[in-house]
Amino acid sequence: DGGITQSPKYLFRKEGQNVTLSCEQNLNHDAMYWYRQDPGQGLRLIYYSQIVNDFQKGDIAEGYSVSREKKESFPLTVTSAQKNPTAFYLCASSPGTGGTDQPQHFGDGTRLSIL
Amino acid sequence: QKEVEQNSGPLSVPEGAIASLNCTYSDRGSQSFFWYRQYSGKSPELIMSIYSNGDKEDGRFTAQLNKASQYVSLLIRDSQPSDSATYLCAVIRGYQLTFGKGTKLSVIP
Repeated sequence: DGGITQSPKYLFRKEGQNVTLSCEQNLNHDAMYWYRQDPGQGLRLIYYSQIVNDFQKGDIAEGYSVSREKKESFPLTVTSAQKNPTAFYLCASSPGTGGTDQPQHFGDGTRLSIL
Repeated sequence: QKEVEQNSGPLSVPEGAIASLNCTYSDRGSQSFFWYRQYSGKSPELIMSIYSNGDKEDGRFTAQLNKASQYVSLLIRDSQPSDSATYLCAVIRGYQLTFGKGTKLSVIP
């Protein structure tokens, strides 16, 4: 089945530790996105990538890093510089580089908590 | 600053009634408009897209768009308890998809 797979489902981070969240899609989508959702809040864009080996910062990129070495993969690293990492992290993708009328579809998310 | 505003609710409607969810947006350059449904603890699921002024119907759902008033709405007819969720309005300009904080809907049996 085509879709977006995020792993792990739950993740715990120790003080000073970097952690990496995985996002893989087999939809042949060009664009991929990372969002953060806090309780009772909407989604906020962390990073997005329109094409392999290229990505742009979203509204809240500080303390995060990404890579896009393959079309199907867009991992997010939450660094120790992110002081309040506890949130629900959502990966999304959309079909083409046209972008302007393409809805985004989401994976099941990763819940990150601080130990 | 692009903003998408929604009434946070909760909005409670009896089973079988029409639920009306509203959204306003600040960026006049917004091109496309989406409604997502998010059950508690789950990821958002796309339920409606609308690109031009007027109404778009899909089953029990109708999306309405008025670009002059910068307003988009979602009507849910014959509301069911399974419709109880948070509904997120999202608008797109280029690659930037901006979400509202969502309206929580409760359908009372």
